[in-house]
Amino acid sequence: ETGVTQTPRHLVMGMTNKKSLKCEQHLGHNAMYWYKQSAKKPLELMFVYNFKEQTENNSVPSRFSPECPNSSHLFLHLHTLQPEDSALYLCASSQEEGTGGQPQHFGDGTRLSIL
Amino acid sequence: GQNIDQPTEMTATEGAIVQINCTYQTSGFNGLFWYQQHAGEAPTFLSYNVLDGLEEKGRFSSFLSRSKGYSYLLLKELQMKDSASYLCAASSNDYKLSFGAGTTVTVRA
Repeated sequence: ETGVTQTPRHLVMGMTNKKSLKCEQHLGHNAMYWYKQSAKKPLELMFVYNFKEQTENNSVPSRFSPECPNSSHLFLHLHTLQPEDSALYLCASSQEEGTGGQPQHFGDGTRLSIL
Repeated sequence: GQNIDQPTEMTATEGAIVQINCTYQTSGFNGLFWYQQHAGEAPTFLSYNVLDGLEEKGRFSSFLSRSKGYSYLLLKELQMKDSASYLCAASSNDYKLSFGAGTTVTVRA
């Protein structure tokens, strides 16, 4: 139990579907992150929120839309995805962005498959 | 850009020692993290180094040389449960993490 919970754990969707990934952290952190993890590739940072404000959009296509209603919850809304978007999507949190030495705590991820 | 290199795979015997090397090139540097990730699970934090030298935590130790852009994770007295992927991540000036692709360690009986 890492204190970061992601749902669903697995998701299969067609290219025309709309779905959302959810992340919740119970650690009292103020920064939350979305990463994409593809096989044999480094984790790719997608978005960062610090105190509910988006501070990073790492050139992510607009078919991925993040939402952070409060410091404990983070969503990733998906629409019109492509087969190459199939991957493990990891959520993480940390005390706050911009402080050295603070480890990020990860959820177990959502395994996304695009048909 | 960021460049983090680590070996893809390593195999060792139960009870042995394995050293996972990581080299990094980042725009500014604010420390080096190691994470462990078992298949299908979350990456979990192992260690953080920001100053040169060796940090020891039980069976796991991590070393950093800032001048060489080099770190290693040392796993001693290997156990079967240590079979996992080990991720090296460098923190840059803006405190963003750049990850390596991970080293899959297989421990054999």
